[in-house]
Amino acid sequence: AQSVAQPEDQVNVAEGNPLTVKCTYSVSGNPYLFWYVQYPNRGLQFLLKYITGDNLVKGSYGFEAEFNKSQTSFHLKKPSALVSDSALYFCAVRDTTSGTYKYIFGTGTRLKVLA
Amino acid sequence: DGGITQSPKYLFRKEGQNVTLSCEQNLNHDAMYWYRQDPGQGLRLIYYSQIVNDFQKGDIAEGYSVSREKKESFPLTVTSAQKNPTAFYLCASKISSTDTQYFGPGTRLTVL
Repeated sequence: AQSVAQPEDQVNVAEGNPLTVKCTYSVSGNPYLFWYVQYPNRGLQFLLKYITGDNLVKGSYGFEAEFNKSQTSFHLKKPSALVSDSALYFCAVRDTTSGTYKYIFGTGTRLKVLA
Repeated sequence: DGGITQSPKYLFRKEGQNVTLSCEQNLNHDAMYWYRQDPGQGLRLIYYSQIVNDFQKGDIAEGYSVSREKKESFPLTVTSAQKNPTAFYLCASKISSTDTQYFGPGTRLTVL
């Protein structure tokens, strides 16, 4: 079965420090991977995606993600965290078995950036 | 939140009543989705539609129904058959040939 896992419920980081939010995946075939962010009581906002190409993907608000095929991971990173980055982050993968554009989301990781 | 609107923002209903959540988009997107969000469980797909007059069940479709009579609209009905309907409901849409979903602001449904 295709799936995506976010092993950390919460990540705490000091403002100005680098941050990493982890995501691992399990898919058959080539993975289509995504990161979204959600602020309290709001919908999700797209950050970045990996379809093919360079393993390092750059996205919105200074975020980037590194695709690692051997480790089946797609970790979200930012060199210097801001307090305003505090939010809920979701990793997602396209379900390639269904033949349609259907997506599987992780359980989310709450990022808390401390001033 | 782009051009996707969900109404109402908060909804309260008595147990046993059906309720319909609205989702409208003016982005000319072909595909639309309904997700349910519960704490600690992430987003789970309820129904999705890739074109008008066609839709498919997602992973947790039981107790829900949808229609897609117009490209802009994808209403979700939570029926009395849904055992635990209290949740945050998110609608999303996208262009059919791309993977980026645009989400609405959500509706928080509380069943009393």
